[in-house]
Amino acid sequence: QLQLQESGPGLVKPSETLSLTCTVSGDSISSGSFYWGWIRQPPGKGLEWIGSLYYLGSTYYNSSLKSRVTISIDTSKNQFSLKLSSVTAADTAIYYCARLTYTWGGLDYWGQGALVTVSS
Amino acid sequence: QSALTQPRSVSGSPGQSVTISCTGTSSDVGAYNCASWYQQHPGKAPKLMIYDVNKRPSGVPDRFSGSKSGNTASLTISGLQAEDEADYYCCSYAGSYTVVFGGGTKLTVL
Repeated sequence: QLQLQESGPGLVKPSETLSLTCTVSGDSISSGSFYWGWIRQPPGKGLEWIGSLYYLGSTYYNSSLKSRVTISIDTSKNQFSLKLSSVTAADTAIYYCARLTYTWGGLDYWGQGALVTVSS
Repeated sequence: QSALTQPRSVSGSPGQSVTISCTGTSSDVGAYNCASWYQQHPGKAPKLMIYDVNKRPSGVPDRFSGSKSGNTASLTISGLQAEDEADYYCCSYAGSYTVVFGGGTKLTVL
């Protein structure tokens, strides 16, 4: 059974960089030619797609966050990561990692989510 | 990328059917058969209920069904049960390897 688990600091100061890692277990991150993604959800609000990447390194970002986001992959550790720079209180959210289906028609496996609070 | 439009809330009694709509544009929902639906209970991660417009993952009851007409995708839940009370989000591929979500719909089982 494929499992995803987010990890990283739960508190980040304004203007600093948020960093999260998603560890994939149960299968190789580079098998099956899947895409992997990050999604966030501010407290009490809806879901927002942040970006996705392919195991060979191609990345795709939400245009509203593109200037601040970097998603990368480490196939040796079966992990992919998110960095969001120059954070503000508006970036406070639960951050989820997930796997996209072959057709990009759904996100079939999700991590449990990691709450990141931006505060001094 | 503008968010897809969903009703803020819907409700129904046990045993009834409810339909949640998700309206996009000819650049996302209308352009691709890549709409999906997620169920989210409080404090939990979203769970995939429908993908590729009308396909159900293994383990999802057949009371859940999806469809699409033009720029609008729909999720229908028949035989409503108390445990169906949750937030539901739609999602669509929007081209150029991007994805867009709906704002979410709160389903109340009366």
